[in-house]
Amino acid sequence: DGGITQSPKYLFRKEGQNVTLSCEQNLNHDAMYWYRQDPGQGLRLIYYSQIVNDFQKGDIAEGYSVSREKKESFPLTVTSAQKNPTAFYLCASSPGLAGGPRADTQYFGPGTRLTVL
Amino acid sequence: KNQVEQSPQSLIILEGKNCTLQCNYTVSPFSNLRWYKQDTGRGPVSLTIMTFSENTKSNGRYTATLDADTKQSSLHITASQLSDSASYICVVSMDSNYQLIWGAGTKLIIKP
Repeated sequence: DGGITQSPKYLFRKEGQNVTLSCEQNLNHDAMYWYRQDPGQGLRLIYYSQIVNDFQKGDIAEGYSVSREKKESFPLTVTSAQKNPTAFYLCASSPGLAGGPRADTQYFGPGTRLTVL
Repeated sequence: KNQVEQSPQSLIILEGKNCTLQCNYTVSPFSNLRWYKQDTGRGPVSLTIMTFSENTKSNGRYTATLDADTKQSSLHITASQLSDSASYICVVSMDSNYQLIWGAGTKLIIKP
C-alpha cells in the first residue's frame, strides 16, 4: 500500500450521523484523492487535492466534505446528507496530478469499508 | 460519452493456464492507459501504463497490449498462479483535462 494508511478499516454508522475517514501518506506526494467503489462499478472520484489548502470536487462530491491542512493528511467526512453512503472508500496519492502529462502513478491505501446501519 | 468497458466481467481458470482480459474505450482525446490489480478488500496497485505510441508493455508474467486505432487494450497473464486471483482494472486518461475514466474491472479467480 506504498506508504498510505487509512483508518479505520471497517466503520459502522447510524443514519443521521457524520463520520470522518482518515487518510495519511508519507510519500511526500502533492496530490491526494478520495474514491468510492461500489460492486460492479468503476471507481468514482469524490474529491481531490493538488496542494495544501486547496481541493476540488470530483464527480460525486454531494454529501461529502474534505480538508487539506497538511500535505500528508486528507480526511474525508461523510455527512448525513449522503443518502447512500455504504461503500468501500479508497484514498490515493500521486507526486503530481494523475492523468496529467507526466502520467504520475496513483498509490492507494488499503481502504475503509463504511456500512450504514 | 467517455467510457471504459471491460470483459469478461468474471473469469475462472485453472492454475498454470494463460488468460487474456479485454478493455475497450471510447475516451477522446486519449493520453494513456493503465492496468491495475486489486486484491479483494485492498487498494489497486499499478501493473503497466502505455501511451499512444506504445503497443505492448510487460511486467513479469503480465503483458499489456494497446491498439490505439481500434481503442482496445488487453492484459495477458501467463502461467497463472493462485496469487493472480484479483480484480483487474483498466483506466484511461484524457489528454484534455487529465480526467481518469475507470473500468468496472474483471474479477479473475485461479483454481488449483
